[in-house]
Amino acid sequence: QQQVKQSPQSLIVQKGGISIINCAYENTAFDYFPWYQQFPGKGPALLIAIRPDVSEKKEGRFTISFNKSAKQFSLHIMDSQPGDSATYFCAAQATGNQFYFGTGTSLTVIP
Amino acid sequence: EAGVAQSPRYKIIEKRQSVAFWCNPISGHATLYWYQQILGQGPKLLIQFQNNGVVDDSQLPKDRFSAERLKGVDSTLKIQPAKLEDSAVYLCASSLMVVGNTEAFFGQGTRLTVV
Repeated sequence: QQQVKQSPQSLIVQKGGISIINCAYENTAFDYFPWYQQFPGKGPALLIAIRPDVSEKKEGRFTISFNKSAKQFSLHIMDSQPGDSATYFCAAQATGNQFYFGTGTSLTVIP
Repeated sequence: EAGVAQSPRYKIIEKRQSVAFWCNPISGHATLYWYQQILGQGPKLLIQFQNNGVVDDSQLPKDRFSAERLKGVDSTLKIQPAKLEDSAVYLCASSLMVVGNTEAFFGQGTRLTVV
């Protein structure tokens, strides 16, 4: 059973556009929701994370929107750049336990 | 701050052979994870340690996989005997795992190819 469902599987965006990736979960015990960025041949690197006591968190061009009642969260990448081309994973954790990852979104930003 | 170190980076073995991976977590991180990432998929937990105790190994195929974390620092993951379906990237991650700071840092992984 997939604990975290992620969409879309792949995304192509023009340079300067907005990239949006969505995730959904069922387990209400989850209290930490990170997004990881992974380049080929590298391990996942934390991009931005949110806890359910806030509905939005912004760091530079990256924003997480969190809807606790709908059990959904999304990553918005503003002014997308070719260097943002990577695979993005959402994840969820109940404190002290494992991270459950989504299936990943391959983002390609076209110059 | 040094990151999570893993070795080797790549390994090619024949099926039914054995293989071992090593991980050195970030200093002071009590929690250590081993994840398996099959090509095109998200990482899936194999085992989670808290210091040198096992927190969760429910998804570890114990008939062929084993892991240990001696002295609560370095960890080794072993596969014996390997199967073709074990071809994947094995990621090690560590975390402070204290209230308010559960961020996990990942190593670069070991890419295993079983032929």
